[in-house]
Amino acid sequence: AQTVTQSQPEMSVQEAETVTLSCTYDTSESDYYLFWYKQPPSRQMILVIRQEAYKQQNATENRFSVNFQKAAKSFSLKISDSQLGDAAMYFCAYRSSRGYNFNKFYFGSGTKLNVKP
Amino acid sequence: NAGVTQTPKFQVLKTGQSMTLQCAQDMNHEYMSWYRQDPGMGLRLIHYSVGAGITDQGEVPNGYNVSRSTTEDFPLRLLSAAPSQTSVYFCASSYGRGLDTDTQYFGPGTRLTVL
Repeated sequence: AQTVTQSQPEMSVQEAETVTLSCTYDTSESDYYLFWYKQPPSRQMILVIRQEAYKQQNATENRFSVNFQKAAKSFSLKISDSQLGDAAMYFCAYRSSRGYNFNKFYFGSGTKLNVKP
Repeated sequence: NAGVTQTPKFQVLKTGQSMTLQCAQDMNHEYMSWYRQDPGMGLRLIHYSVGAGITDQGEVPNGYNVSRSTTEDFPLRLLSAAPSQTSVYFCASSYGRGLDTDTQYFGPGTRLTVL
C-alpha cells in the first residue's frame, strides 16, 4: 500500500512570511494524484491544491504552490504571504489514477501550522 | 446543494452499545468512504463504496459495518462500541471516475466518545 509521510508535526510562521510544509510518499505507480488539504479548528476538510503526477509543471492556487519532485517522491506546499486564517492542520494525500484502488486516498499524519501576528 | 452531511455532530456511548453514524451526499457521487481521525495519525480509511450495493474494507474495518442501498446514503454502524473507537469520524464522497478533477469532498465530522 502507498504511504504518505509528513515529518513536521508542527510549524510556525510570522504573518506575511513564507512557509513550506514537507510531504514524501512511497509508491511504485507512475500515474497518481497528490493533494494538500487544510483542516481548520472547525474540523472541515478543505482542498487546497492538487497535482497530477504526469504534469511537470507545479500547481499553484493564489498564495499556495507546490514543489513536486517526482523522482524524489516529494510534494511540498509553499504558503506565501501567510495570513492568520492559514492557521490549521495540513494533510498531504495520495490517490492512485488507475486500477481497482484508484478511488482510495492515503493521508499523511498532518502538520499543524501556527501563524503569529 | 448541501454537499456531504453527517449526523450526529457529537455522540457519547457506553462500552458495548451500538449506533449508526449517518452520511448523505447530494452530488450524485458514486464513491463514498468513511475515515477515522486520531491524534498524530491522520485519516485512516475504515470502509468505502464504489456504488450502490458495493462496499469494501479499508485499513481499519474491524468493529464497523457499512451498507450502501442508495447512491446518496452511506451509514456506518458500530456493532459493540469500545473505548478504542473514540475518534472523529469523517465521511467523504467523490465522482469516483478517476478523472483529474476527481477529489474527495468531506462532511463536517462526528466526534464520538466511548466511555
